[in-house]
Formats: sequence, structure tokens, C-alpha cells
Amino acid sequence: DQQVKQNSPSLSVQEGRISILNCDYTNSMFDYFLWYKKYPAEGPTFLISISSIKDKNEDGRFTVFLNKSAKHLSLHIVPSQPGDSAVYFCAARAAGNKLTFGGGTRVLVKP
Amino acid sequence: DVKVTQSSRYLVKRTGEKVFLECVQDMDHENMFWYRQDPGLGLRLIYFSYDVKMKEKGDIPEGYSVSREKKERFSLILESASTNQTSMYLCASSLPAQGSDTQYFGPGTRLTVL
Repeated sequence: DQQVKQNSPSLSVQEGRISILNCDYTNSMFDYFLWYKKYPAEGPTFLISISSIKDKNEDGRFTVFLNKSAKHLSLHIVPSQPGDSAVYFCAARAAGNKLTFGGGTRVLVKP
Repeated sequence: DVKVTQSSRYLVKRTGEKVFLECVQDMDHENMFWYRQDPGLGLRLIYFSYDVKMKEKGDIPEGYSVSREKKERFSLILESASTNQTSMYLCASSLPAQGSDTQYFGPGTRLTVL
């Protein structure tokens, strides 16, 4: 049973527009959430994170929103650029260092 | 800059072979992890280690074992490879749990078992 789910396997967006990636979780013990970005033939790289005590964290073009009551988080990329085309993984942490990952969303930004 | 390296980018093995995947990190991180990545399933944790000679099972440890004899090196072992172990294997390392808890990943090893 997947505790972290990304229900959209793919997303296509025009350059300059907003990309919104969604992630749902079931474990209320998760206290930290992260987004990773992965290009083909490379390992995932950390993008942005948010603690469960916050509802928003922003870093340049990337903003993560957390709705604890709905057990939902989202990643907004504004404006989207062709170099943002990649697979994005949502991850959540409970106790210790273990991360639980979602299935990933493939983003394609069209020029 | 953290660097996590994996011994092979691509590997082809036969069913029943013993397979070793090596991972080395250069940032003196205590924690190391092995994941496999499969389409639609994301990254699933196989094993992890909080310190030298320590190991803990992740979510899918069956068919795998690990070894951590030195702090910088974490090996994943497939005792008898099977076709359902064909996958992308990713190694990661991190400091002990802190606020950001970022894991740094290697480039991955794509293993094909024939």
C-alpha cells in the first residue's frame, strides 16, 4: 500500500506557464516533505522541502504548499522552463532518516 | 560538493549469478541507502545503514543483502539474481536526521538480469 502517491504520471505544460505537481500521503506521522528532480541517466537531486509545521516554502521559481488536514502537498513551478523537463518525485519522512517516495510525475515543458 | 559514485552505470547478468553493486560517498556521511526505481513505483527502499557494520531492512529487502565495512562504502548484494530484479538501482547518503534531511544520490546502476 503506497503511503505517498502522485496520481498524475505525466504533465505537459507550455514554456512560461505554471506547472503544478500534486502529491497525497496517508501517514499522519510524516513530519517532513521533499521534492526531488530526476533527469534520465542521473540520480535524483534535491529540489525543495517543507516541514510539517509550515504550509508554504518558496525557493526562486519553486514553491511547495502543504495542506496537513488534507494530507496533500503540491509543487508549483513558475514560470516553467524547458530545462525543467524531468521526473519529479515527492518524498516524505517519518521517524529517522527513512524517506518514502511517490511514483513520480514526468514533466514536459514545451518551448 | 557531495559526491556519491556507483561502480557501474550498466550491468547485464544471468539468472542465478551473484551480483555486487558498490557505492562510495566522499562526504563522511553516516547514513547510506539502497533503492530500486521502477516505472510507476517510484523509489523503493531496499536496505539502509546508519553506521559502519550496521544495516536495517527497508521496504523490499527480499533477495538482497548489504555490507558496510567502511563508512564511505555501502555494497548491495544479489545472492542469486532473478529476472524480477531487473531495475535501476540508486544509492544515496545523508547526515543524521536534521531539519533538511537531504539525501544525495549517485547516478544509478541499470541492472538487467537475463
